[in-house]
Amino acid sequence: NAGVTQTPKFRILKIGQSMTLQCTQDMNHNYMYWYRQDPGMGLKLIYYSVGAGITDKGEVPNGYNVSRSTTEDFPLRLELAAPSQTSVYFCASSWVGQLNQPQHFGDGTRLSIL
Amino acid sequence: ILNVEQSPQSLHVQEGDSTNFTCSFPSSNFYALHWYRWETAKSPEALFVMTLNGDEKKKGRISATLNTKEGYSYLYIKGSQPEDSATYLCAFKVGNTPLVFGKGTRLSVIA
Repeated sequence: NAGVTQTPKFRILKIGQSMTLQCTQDMNHNYMYWYRQDPGMGLKLIYYSVGAGITDKGEVPNGYNVSRSTTEDFPLRLELAAPSQTSVYFCASSWVGQLNQPQHFGDGTRLSIL
Repeated sequence: ILNVEQSPQSLHVQEGDSTNFTCSFPSSNFYALHWYRWETAKSPEALFVMTLNGDEKKKGRISATLNTKEGYSYLYIKGSQPEDSATYLCAFKVGNTPLVFGKGTRLSVIA
């Protein structure tokens, strides 16, 4: 029972490099989300998607891009890595419909930019 | 901008003590209130999803209540154990917009 799978688990980048954080879910959830967790700040929403082909900005979208070409996958791209993007990134998914369902989170990606 | 407040930020309790903490949220346009348990180095796991005023939910020694008219929810832990040590997050939802998370209450249970 995979749930939400994120890769990689850890990564170190140099300033200015780019990378893609992968996220896939096997629960046929319509909504997917990317959060970052900074110390003492809780979870901040970066981007979210309500279904394939549709994405929306969250609270802190600057410096990131997303795409949702399939229901299962929701990659997060950093184009020009900056030290301020050092954080732990969590992907999540949920079914949003008539019944309220909780979000399911991946194990996180710890990203350091030096 | 919706704001969810959790208090206290952190607390330490002795094993066997019961404890509770608070989540405050805007009372207008309420849709749902979620509670998550987040252990260090792991990902958040859902505890409860609450939608109706007066809702009470229970899972083992953990329970939660909801007051949508005044905009608060309480999480109770009865007879705290060291394995209850975690950050407890609440999150508020308006319609089909994404959840807005509080900063969490960090609980440490001392054996």
